[in-house]
Amino acid sequence: NAGVTQTPKFQVLKTGQSMTLQCAQDMNHNSMYWYRQDPGMGLRLIYYSASEGTTDKGEVPNGYNVSRLNKREFSLRLESAAPSQTSVYFCASSVWNGNYGYTFGSGTRLTVV
Amino acid sequence: GESVGLHLPTLSVQEGDNSIINCAYSNSASDYFIWYKQESGKGPQFIIDIRSNMDKRQGQRVTVLLNKTVKHLSLQIAATQPGDSAVYFCAAMYSSASKIIFGSGTRLSIRP
Repeated sequence: NAGVTQTPKFQVLKTGQSMTLQCAQDMNHNSMYWYRQDPGMGLRLIYYSASEGTTDKGEVPNGYNVSRLNKREFSLRLESAAPSQTSVYFCASSVWNGNYGYTFGSGTRLTVV
Repeated sequence: GESVGLHLPTLSVQEGDNSIINCAYSNSASDYFIWYKQESGKGPQFIIDIRSNMDKRQGQRVTVLLNKTVKHLSLQIAATQPGDSAVYFCAAMYSSASKIIFGSGTRLSIRP
């Protein structure tokens, strides 16, 4: 059982380039999330998808787009990368079954130069 | 909106001592609280949760205390071990909501 798989693990982009971060979960969870983590800032929610077919903005959505491709996959796209988007990105999934134990992926470290 | 903050960005404890990590939240409507542990280079991992109808919950070597009057929760780790070194996050939410807002984290370091 792989849990939440993120690709790539590391990426360096030039300012203005675009890329898509991929996330897939095999736990049949309904909800999926993208967070970014900056030093001293904790985890900030970028976008989330409460269920297949829906997406909503989180705390810091500007500069990002998402696609809930199916129940398993939730991708995050940077259309025109900026140095301010240098961060570690975490995907997570969850299902409410009396508790809300998110399962996180191992992260993507993105550097924009 | 919701905000969650931890009282100290860093905490250093002696191996074998008990650790207490504190967290405050702003929204009195929050009814579900979670603690996560994040080790270096990894994603956060669920430790323990508590609902607002409880004021204490215990797990293996961990206890979470919730004080709704002052909107404060704490994580207590008994007999702290080197493997407890990590950043600890608290989170507060509505149980009916679809998302969690995290605090900024407390880095726990262990002195031998």
